[in-house]
Amino acid sequence: DAKTTQPNSMESNEEEPVHLPCNHSTISGTDYIHWYRQLPSQGPEYVIHGLTSNVNNRMASLAIAEDRKSSTLILHRATLRDAAVYYCILRDVGGTSYGKLTFGQGTILTVHP
Amino acid sequence: DAGVTQSPTHLIKTRGQQVTLRCSPKSGHDTVSWYQQALGQGPQFIFQYYEEEERQRGNFPDRFSGHQFPNYSSELNVNALLLGDSALYLCASGEGGGNYGYTFGSGTRLTVV
Repeated sequence: DAKTTQPNSMESNEEEPVHLPCNHSTISGTDYIHWYRQLPSQGPEYVIHGLTSNVNNRMASLAIAEDRKSSTLILHRATLRDAAVYYCILRDVGGTSYGKLTFGQGTILTVHP
Repeated sequence: DAGVTQSPTHLIKTRGQQVTLRCSPKSGHDTVSWYQQALGQGPQFIFQYYEEEERQRGNFPDRFSGHQFPNYSSELNVNALLLGDSALYLCASGEGGGNYGYTFGSGTRLTVV
């Protein structure tokens, strides 16, 4: 499984933008970049995913480097409810991977009021 | 629209016993995956079911088995429980392999004493 590297923790202030980085230097051509987050006492929640182009949805934006070896999840205005563990995951859609998600340690995001 | 429902929410078992955990996928989803999450760690993939068959399996012993029913609901069975099986067990559902992201339940907290 291709691996991702994320900082262990990050901090932000409420209503400020947050940029969560992820390195995935061994990404293959069939790997999608997925982001999930896990709030305390809950299961992971899908945030966003992309392949090559930058992506936007109601929760966040995903900026993907041109060589695809890194990506950044952008929360445009952090709220206290965004405090969670954020996981960057490479999901292989080729072969017989069938969409298994391989979670790393993730980034613990703390949002200060 | 109900999301993924897991039962029970909490469970205490004795070492050596057997346990069955249950999952009802989100409406319209036909794929169910199970994950184990130890305290302070990211979720680890156990297996995935699609069309009532185990389609992919992670690095877990045969004590872990599962089943998917015609209505797409699923069960996770663990035999000969060990203390190390204490964890949060998460169920995730998706469509045809979760190409657009998975929906996770809140999990079952299993404690083995």
